[in-house]
This record gives sequence, structure tokens and C-alpha cells, in this order.
Amino acid sequence: DAGVIQSPRHEVTEMGQEVTLRCKPISGHNSLFWYRQTMMRGLELLIYFNNNVPIDDSGMPEDRFSAKMPNASFSTLKIQPSEPRDSAVYFCASSPGQGECYTFGSGTRLTVV
Amino acid sequence: LAKTTQPISMDSYEGQEVNITCSHNNIATNDYITWYQQFPSQGPRFIIQGYKTKVTNEVASLFIPADRKSSTLSLPRVSLSDTAVYYCLVGDKNAGNMLTFGGGTRLMVKP
Repeated sequence: DAGVIQSPRHEVTEMGQEVTLRCKPISGHNSLFWYRQTMMRGLELLIYFNNNVPIDDSGMPEDRFSAKMPNASFSTLKIQPSEPRDSAVYFCASSPGQGECYTFGSGTRLTVV
Repeated sequence: LAKTTQPISMDSYEGQEVNITCSHNNIATNDYITWYQQFPSQGPRFIIQGYKTKVTNEVASLFIPADRKSSTLSLPRVSLSDTAVYYCLVGDKNAGNMLTFGGGTRLMVKP
């Protein structure tokens, strides 16, 4: 298995632009998680899905952030409009079930200038 | 959710055994303890999980005392490549709430 695949690996964008991060979970995994990591705040859970349904989005910073999972093999995290404070590494992870151990992707390093 | 406390950083030398302790005083009856390892520029990677006593795999051992208010991750004979951040998570895996990463412990292995 190729593991959790995230794209792009790096993204540099200007403030105000829309950014879309993509994730392909491991086939057969029913749960998908989006995390954000910064030096100041560490790893923060943004949202997680179970069987393509959002279960908890309380970690989503504000309305500028949205996430979708249209099918079991694909999820997106969108930021519109982006701001410099959104600069971080965004990780996607998947697991066989809600409480099972996660497999993380390599992350997307987002820089908003 | 049970709060975890770990040392911010630790130093060791190649070939030594490293023990990282995590405190979780308000751990609940159904909570499991899970450890992850994160290298720079990579996502965290699962190391080991346990509920009580001792669990061992090819990478590490996890020691959990009877009161379960703490746990110790033991890495035998570390090498330079074990330099990473180690996270302890506590939660009910059947309820799906093992989701919060704390600050982790930054382990530096020196030659």
C-alpha cells in the first residue's frame, strides 16, 4: 500500500488566495483526520470523518476553513481566503476505525505570504 | 479527556536505553495509552499501544503500572536515527476520542 497520500507537498500562496489541500487515505480505512502543526501550537486536530461523514469539526479555526470527503478515497481541506497565520504543515491521517491507530501522510507545508 | 504530561526534551547517547515517562493522572477505565514518533518533516508514526502491565514489540516496550496513572516508553539501545519527538496519547479507542496530541518529548541522541 502506498500509505496516505497528500498533495501538494509544498504550497506557497499569497494572502487572500484560495488554497486546496488533498488527501487520499489508505484503502479500506474508514476514518480520516486533518491535523495542523505549528511550532507555537503543536499538532491540532481540525476535523475528522468516519465513513465519509464529518464527526467533529470543532477544531476548524473559522469559517475560512472547510473540509469535504466526497468518497472513501478522497478528502480536501480548503482555506478561502488564506491568511499568513494559516502557514503551517497540514497532515492528513487515516485509520481502520475511529479508535484505531493512525497512519499519517507526509504533510503539506503551506506558506501564505 | 485525560491530560498527558511529558518532559519537553531528553538527551541520550548511542547504545543507551531511553525511558520516556508520561503522566496521565485522570486516565479513565476504558482509556488506552498510545505512543507515536515524529521525525522532522514527516507525520507521526505509531510505535506502540497498551492498556496495562507491559507491551513489547520490535521497536519498543511500554510499561504501565497497576494504577495506570503513568506510562513509560522504553527504547532499547538507541541510535542517532531515534532522534525524534515522541508523543503520548490517552483515550478510549472504542469511543474514538484518542485524538489529542500533547507537546511531546524531543529526544536527542548524541554520538
